[in-house]
Amino acid sequence: DGGITQSPKYLFRKEGQNVTLSCEQNLNHDAMYWYRQDPGQGLRLIYYSQIVNDFQKGDIAEGYSVSREKKESFPLTVTSAQKNPTAFYLCASRGRGAYEQYFGPGTRLTVT
Amino acid sequence: GQQLNQSPQSMFIQEGEDVSMNCTSSSIFNTWLWYKQDPGEGPVLLIALYKAGELTSNGRLTAQFGITRKDSFLNISASIPSDVGIYFCAGPNNNAGNMLTFGGGTRLMVKP
Repeated sequence: DGGITQSPKYLFRKEGQNVTLSCEQNLNHDAMYWYRQDPGQGLRLIYYSQIVNDFQKGDIAEGYSVSREKKESFPLTVTSAQKNPTAFYLCASRGRGAYEQYFGPGTRLTVT
Repeated sequence: GQQLNQSPQSMFIQEGEDVSMNCTSSSIFNTWLWYKQDPGEGPVLLIALYKAGELTSNGRLTAQFGITRKDSFLNISASIPSDVGIYFCAGPNNNAGNMLTFGGGTRLMVKP
């Protein structure tokens, strides 16, 4: 089945630790995105990538880093510099020439 | 930047009732997308609209692309408990081209 997978579904970390969230897609989409969602809130763009080995900051990139070494994968690292990392993280992808983004199931990160 | 305003922010309705929600902008959009997010899951694309005046249905859902290109409407007929969730509108961010602007969402609650 084609789709976007995010793992794990739930992630717990201690404050001060870096953590990497996985996002994989087999839709052959060129563009991939990371969003953050806080309780009762909308979606805020963290980073996006339109092509392998290239990515741009979104609205709230501080404290996060990404890489895009393969078309299928766009991992997000939440660093210890992110002041309030506890949130629901969503990955999405988009095919060339289209506007529609397709989302993964999300990862809920809790940092204590 | 572009903004999308969704109303109402939340609605609590009785099962079987029809639902209407809308999305407005001060800027023109050439595509409107409607997503539904179930609790704890990623948003799922419901309907995509590409042409002013277009009316598109997906089961009990009907969405319209406003004639002014500055608004869009989503109607749900005969609501059922599984309609519960957050409904987001989105449109392409014309300044960036390959990003979406999301509305703040309408939270729908259905009383059986």
